[in-house]
Amino acid sequence: AQSVTQLDSHVSVSEGTPVLLRCNYSSSYSPSLFWYVQHPNKGLQLLLKYTSAATLVKGINGFEAEFKKSETSFHLTKPSAHMSDAAEYFCVVSEGSSASKIIFGSGTRLSIRP
Amino acid sequence: KAGVTQTPRYLIKTRGQQVTLSCSPISGHRSVSWYQQTPGQGLQFLFEYFSETQRNKGNFPGRFSGRQFSNSRSEMNVSTLELGDSALYLCASTDVEGPGELFFGEGSRLTVL
Repeated sequence: AQSVTQLDSHVSVSEGTPVLLRCNYSSSYSPSLFWYVQHPNKGLQLLLKYTSAATLVKGINGFEAEFKKSETSFHLTKPSAHMSDAAEYFCVVSEGSSASKIIFGSGTRLSIRP
Repeated sequence: KAGVTQTPRYLIKTRGQQVTLSCSPISGHRSVSWYQQTPGQGLQFLFEYFSETQRNKGNFPGRFSGRQFSNSRSEMNVSTLELGDSALYLCASTDVEGPGELFFGEGSRLTVL
């Protein structure tokens, strides 16, 4: 069975410093992996996705993630945090074409200190 | 293209009432899925529809139901509301069978008193 674990429920960084949001997954197959962002009172927006192509995936707003099969990890990073990055981030694993095969992580709330 | 539209955005109901939520997907998207988001349980899958057919249903009681119309618009209904049904209900649409990007609406926030 597939599962996804976001290792930090809350991360706080200063503006201009790097961001690291950690995600580990478990899957019986070769999964597709996603990161979504949710700003307050908004829906989720796709940041980036991994679907068995390049292991380093670049997304929107300067975010990127690296798929490490040996570590079953898909951590999200950004070199320099901006105030507008404050939001909830969800790591998502999918094993098939159905929405029922999509598992959302519990989310990491990212706070940015001025 | 217009995004996914969910109505109403906010609503308050009392226990025992029923509620209907609406979702209009992005034009051309035939797949619509629904999710319940709560602080305690996170995002949980409710239903998935494709071309008016329910493909899958999550682990929710029969009080939760849904449907999809020929224009791909979808509705979900919750009958006999309970306090625990208070949540943000999110709808997402996609134009591929997956795994592809889900396009989410802003959600309908239901409060049950």
